[in-house]
Amino acid sequence: EIVVTQSPATLSVSPGERATLSCRASQTVSSNLAWYQQKPGQAPRLLIYGASTRATGIPARLSGSGSGTEFTLTIRSLQSEDFAVYYCQQYNNWPWTFGQGTKVEIK
Amino acid sequence: EVQLVQSGAEVEKPGESLKISCKGSGYSFTSYWIGWVRQMPGKGLEYMGIIYPGDSDTRYSPSFQGQVTISADKSISTAYLQWSSLKASDTAMYYCARLYSGTYYVDYWGQGTLVTVSS
Repeated sequence: EIVVTQSPATLSVSPGERATLSCRASQTVSSNLAWYQQKPGQAPRLLIYGASTRATGIPARLSGSGSGTEFTLTIRSLQSEDFAVYYCQQYNNWPWTFGQGTKVEIK
Repeated sequence: EVQLVQSGAEVEKPGESLKISCKGSGYSFTSYWIGWVRQMPGKGLEYMGIIYPGDSDTRYSPSFQGQVTISADKSISTAYLQWSSLKASDTAMYYCARLYSGTYYVDYWGQGTLVTVSS
C-alpha cells in the first residue's frame, strides 16, 4: 500500500498571503494525484487532478505541481473561503490512499 | 446534473446489521466506478472499496476486506455499503463517491451518511 504523507499538519496563514502544501508518496504515483478541500460539515470537493489540472470552477489562484513522489498545492492570495482542510490522494495503485490532511487556518 | 444522494443517518447497537445506500442520477450509473470512503470523527479520509455497477466488479482495501460488503443494483442506480455485525469503531461518516471515467479521482461526492454505533 502506498503511504501518502502531507506536511505540515497545520498551516497558519494571513488572508492575502500564499499557502504551500506538500504531499509525498512512498513510491511513485506518476501524475495520478488529486487534491480535495473539505470544510466542516461538508463532503470533500475536488480541486486538482492529474497533479496539476484544476477541476471545473476552481479559481486560478489554486495550482498543483509535481510528479512521481513529490507534489505541491499552492494557493496564492488566500481568501476567506480557502480556510479548510486539504487532502491529497493517489490513484495510481489500489488501494487508493489519502494523506492525513493539512488544515489551513487563519493566522 | 450529476447527483449522489445517500441514505439518512443511522443509530445502531453493536452486533446489529446495517445497509446504507447511495443513489446516482444525472449520468450513466453503469459506466462509472463508485467508491466508499470512511471518515472517523475528527479524522481523515480512508478508501474502503470500489464497485463498477456495470458488472459488479468490486475491490476492497485490505483494511476493510471481510469487514464490509459493497454491492450495487444497477436497475435502480444505487450502490450499497453493508455490515453484518457493527462495532463501536464503525462510528463514522461514510461518503460514496463517483470515480471519473478512465481514471480514478473522485469528481462527485455524496453528502455523507453518519453511522453511530452505541449501546
